[in-house]
Amino acid sequence: EDQVTQSPEALRLQEGESSSLNCSYTVSGLRGLFWYRQDPGKGPEFLFTLYSAGEEKEKERLKATLTKKESFLHITAPKPEDSATYLCAVQANTDKLIFGTGTRLQVFP
Amino acid sequence: GAGVSQTPSNKVTEKGKYVELRCDPISGHTALYWYRQSLGQGPEFLIYFQGTGAADDSGLPNDRFFAVRPEGSVSTLKIQRTERGDSAVYLCASSPLGGGADPNYGYTFGSGTRLTVV
Repeated sequence: EDQVTQSPEALRLQEGESSSLNCSYTVSGLRGLFWYRQDPGKGPEFLFTLYSAGEEKEKERLKATLTKKESFLHITAPKPEDSATYLCAVQANTDKLIFGTGTRLQVFP
Repeated sequence: GAGVSQTPSNKVTEKGKYVELRCDPISGHTALYWYRQSLGQGPEFLIYFQGTGAADDSGLPNDRFFAVRPEGSVSTLKIQRTERGDSAVYLCASSPLGGGADPNYGYTFGSGTRLTVV
């Protein structure tokens, strides 16, 4: 069964304190791995899609990497405005996304 | 419009009542998805439309749930005989591509409809 596990469930960081979020997956035939950001009361906002092991993508303070079993979202020198829930999802041999339960990030000034 | 629009943003209904939730996708997007998100959980797939037809409805939990997209644009999710367990945020997403996400924009989600069954 296709599955996505995110850790930690929650993360509290001081402003400027870099860290990484983990997304482990088991899927039959990965077509894409997605990272989304979700603010309270809003829908998920697209960040990155990764397609193959070794691929990396960057956007501002965020960098996503992919291996055959997991993906990391690295946050460098975070700011309070980076506080949100970060969701990871995989697309396998169907058209639907399978989401993890997310990591709730809080960045304090 | 510029984004995916969902109405209403909030809906409170009594147990046993019928509700309809509406999704206006981005103009020209052929693929439309419905997801359900419970508190503290990630979104859970319900149904996927390619054009007017439901290409995959394997996520609909039971026959009380039904969705249509008659003209290939607006979609309506219909829930009959609502139960308290149906309370959740219902999210709609669209994509310009069939069978996959745009590599630069992914799937674009709306802000959702928060359904509360009392």
